[in-house]
Amino acid sequence: EAGVTQSPTHLIKTRGQQATLRCSPISGHTSVYWYQQALGLGLQFLLWYDEGEERNRGNFPPRFSGRQFPNYSSELNVNALELEDSALYLCASSSGTAANTDTQYFGPGTRLTVL
Amino acid sequence: GQQLNQSPQSMFIQEGEDVSMNCTSSSIFNTWLWYKQDPGEGPVLLIALYKAGELTSNGRLTAQFGITRKDSFLNISASIPSDVGIYFCAGLRAAGNKLTFGGGTRVLVKP
Repeated sequence: EAGVTQSPTHLIKTRGQQATLRCSPISGHTSVYWYQQALGLGLQFLLWYDEGEERNRGNFPPRFSGRQFPNYSSELNVNALELEDSALYLCASSSGTAANTDTQYFGPGTRLTVL
Repeated sequence: GQQLNQSPQSMFIQEGEDVSMNCTSSSIFNTWLWYKQDPGEGPVLLIALYKAGELTSNGRLTAQFGITRKDSFLNISASIPSDVGIYFCAGLRAAGNKLTFGGGTRVLVKP
């Protein structure tokens, strides 16, 4: 069974540009989560999508947004890129939100570099 | 921000040694998860714990969900070179479904 997949693997942008990152969850999983892993800051929760709706959001500015498609894949968009947005962006999925189904499985990440 | 205190921050292992790391929190979590992350890759789930007091093994790994629901530990027995990496604990509350991560324990091989 395929795990969580993310594309692209690497992305290089300049300040002020927009970045779009993509994630496909494990087959059968309906919830998708986005995390940012910046150097020295650990893993920080960004967004949670379930059944096409945004369910929760971390402490990030509105420049960070996303959506979930009917096939449960998801996009993360980062507008007006800033240098400090450089990080590994990780997507995770879970099969549900109840106990024992909320375990999150991670993809390999997209390394975003802002120059 | 980060709410889980994970220790130690780093440790050196020699092949065959047992290693231990733990996470503590001021808040209660309903689920505790342990992940391992290799450089440039995403975290890989090692063990999931769902009930207070639960002790779960996965090969040479053993983890426990603290009875107070505010802590967890991970033990690795008879370490091998491929155990090198960064280990993260993560807690999950029912509301919001976001994982809160510890700062990680970097496991290195003794020179």
